[in-house]
Amino acid sequence: AQTVTQSQPEMSVQEAETVTLSCTYDTSESDYYLFWYKQPPSRQMILVIRQEAYKQQNATENRFSVNFQKAAKSFSLKISDSQLGDAAMYFCAFLLDDGLTFGKGTHLIIQP
Amino acid sequence: GAGVSQSPSNKVTEKGKDVELRCDPISGHTALYWYRQSLGQGLEFLIYFQGNSAPDKSGLPSDRFSAERTGGSVSTLTIQRTQQEDSAVYLCASSMKRGEQYFGPGTRLTVT
Repeated sequence: AQTVTQSQPEMSVQEAETVTLSCTYDTSESDYYLFWYKQPPSRQMILVIRQEAYKQQNATENRFSVNFQKAAKSFSLKISDSQLGDAAMYFCAFLLDDGLTFGKGTHLIIQP
Repeated sequence: GAGVSQSPSNKVTEKGKDVELRCDPISGHTALYWYRQSLGQGLEFLIYFQGNSAPDKSGLPSDRFSAERTGGSVSTLTIQRTQQEDSAVYLCASSMKRGEQYFGPGTRLTVT
């Protein structure tokens, strides 16, 4: 079974600064997907960024980028130029064939 | 186009009653997923459908939980004889291909 670990229950960052959220996972598989989802208080799960394990290039989406280290089984999310609207719970997730396996989440606070 | 929709948005029920939660996936999406999000357990994968069939039902928490999908579209998650520990947000997601999942807004279930 796969596991996903987010070791930071809460992170705080000043507006316009950069913050990195950590995620590690455990799997014996080689072909899988990794995701970061954002969940604001509205509870809607919003896809932030997606990484295919067989692609060595790190995924980027505007201010969001990942550092994918397959050998180390690490998948961190970097948010640049943090904005007040980035405040939310962030979940790291692993996908093999069926359902997503989620980490416990990191609560991101943006200080104005 | 329209996203994944779920109904009801909120449901309050008395312990021992049966409840039905509905998920309407994005049109054309063949796969549909149910998750449960609770304070104690975090985000748990419950079951998925490929078309109308569910290959693996082992993620359902107990035999009080059942799910069906008809016509390759709408799915219903039924909880019989609800218990207080069933209180949670139930999330649905759909996808057209491996490596993606788009979530609905969820149903918050409160068992009193």
